[in-house]
Parts: sequence; structure tokens; C-alpha cells
Amino acid sequence: EAGVVQSPRYKIIEKKQPVAFWCNPISGHNTLYWYRQNLGQGPELLIRYENEEAVDDSQLPKDRFSAERLKGVDSTLKIQPAELGDSAVYLCASSFEGGQNTEAFFGQGTRLTVV
Amino acid sequence: AQTVTQSQPEMSVQEAETVTLSCTYDTSENNYYLFWYKQPPSRQMILVIRQEAYKQQNATENRFSVNFQKAAKSFSLKISDSQLGDTAMYFCAFEGGAQKLVFGQGTRLTINP
Repeated sequence: EAGVVQSPRYKIIEKKQPVAFWCNPISGHNTLYWYRQNLGQGPELLIRYENEEAVDDSQLPKDRFSAERLKGVDSTLKIQPAELGDSAVYLCASSFEGGQNTEAFFGQGTRLTVV
Repeated sequence: AQTVTQSQPEMSVQEAETVTLSCTYDTSENNYYLFWYKQPPSRQMILVIRQEAYKQQNATENRFSVNFQKAAKSFSLKISDSQLGDTAMYFCAFEGGAQKLVFGQGTRLTINP
């Protein structure tokens, strides 16, 4: 079974340009998370989806960040326009909420460099 | 808000030795989960071990075990018979009613041959 798949793995863009990241969660997982991991730190939640509904986006900088999860499966995270401080690793994770085991499975992340 | 603190930025031990990574957390919740994740250079976070707060018995997974002290809000990870493949960043994480993982700053563990 495939794990959480993210693309691209690396992205280098100039500041003020737009960028988008894509995530395909594990089949059957109803909950999807986007985390941002700054260099030398632990990941921080940006947004959590339950099916197609964003149930926690309190940490998402809504002036430049947007996300969507159409049909409750794949998700995209977009930044427009990107700033130098957005350089980080963006991690996607998924889990099945409702069972006894709520383990979150992570993708390999997208490393974004804004120059 | 919950916070997770890992006070050891880096640790280094020889292969086959035992190493303990420290983690403390702060919460007012009574029911929650605690996790240790491993992040190798590939960047993928891999679950090492989890502990349910309502369970008094410490979780174990092969060479990995935890010392969960609920009253002290402490959750340390012990790696026995360390192997070169254990070299990675290790993150302690908390999940409560908000159903999101709150991570510590991480500990960079190096196993030397």
C-alpha cells in the first residue's frame, strides 16, 4: 500500500512568485493535515481537514496561504505571493479518525526555498 | 495551549549503548496521547512509539521504551542496543482533544560506530 505521497519534493522560487504543493493521502484516511517545519524546529500545524471540511485553520496565514481538499481526497496548499520567510519543509499527513488507532502517517515533504 | 519541550538539542552515543531522550509537556487535559517520531534525512516522520495517557504501563516496541510520568508531565524515550540506523532527529509530540500533533523542538541523535 502506498503511503502519503507529496509532490514536488523540492521547489525553488523567487519571492513574490506563487507556489503550490500537492498531497495524496493514504486511501481511506478521512483526516488530512498540512504542517510547516522550519529549519531546526518541529513541525507546526497549518490546517486540518476532516473529509473536505477544514476544521482547524487557525494557524494558516490566510492573507497569502490557501488550501483545498476537493472530494475529501487529494489536497493542495498554495502560497501567493511567497516571501523569504516561507522557506521551510511542508509536510502532509493523514489519519483515519474513528478507529482506536489514530496514528498519523506523514509524507516525505516538500522543501521550499524562496530566494 | 499545550507545549512540548525537548531540552537536549543534540546527543551522541556509541553503537550498542543505551540512550535516553527527554521530553516534558504542559497540558490541562486528562486524556491525551504522546508520541515519539523519528525523522531521518529523508524527512519522512516515522512513528517510533505511542503512549495513551490513561494507561499506566509504559509502552515498549522492541528496543524502544518510554518512561511516562503523568504527574510530572514527563515522557522520555529509551533506546537500547543502539544501532547506526537510529541516527536521526527525534521529536516528542502531544495530541489532545484538538486532534493535532504539537511537536517539541527535536533532539538530533547520532550513533557512532
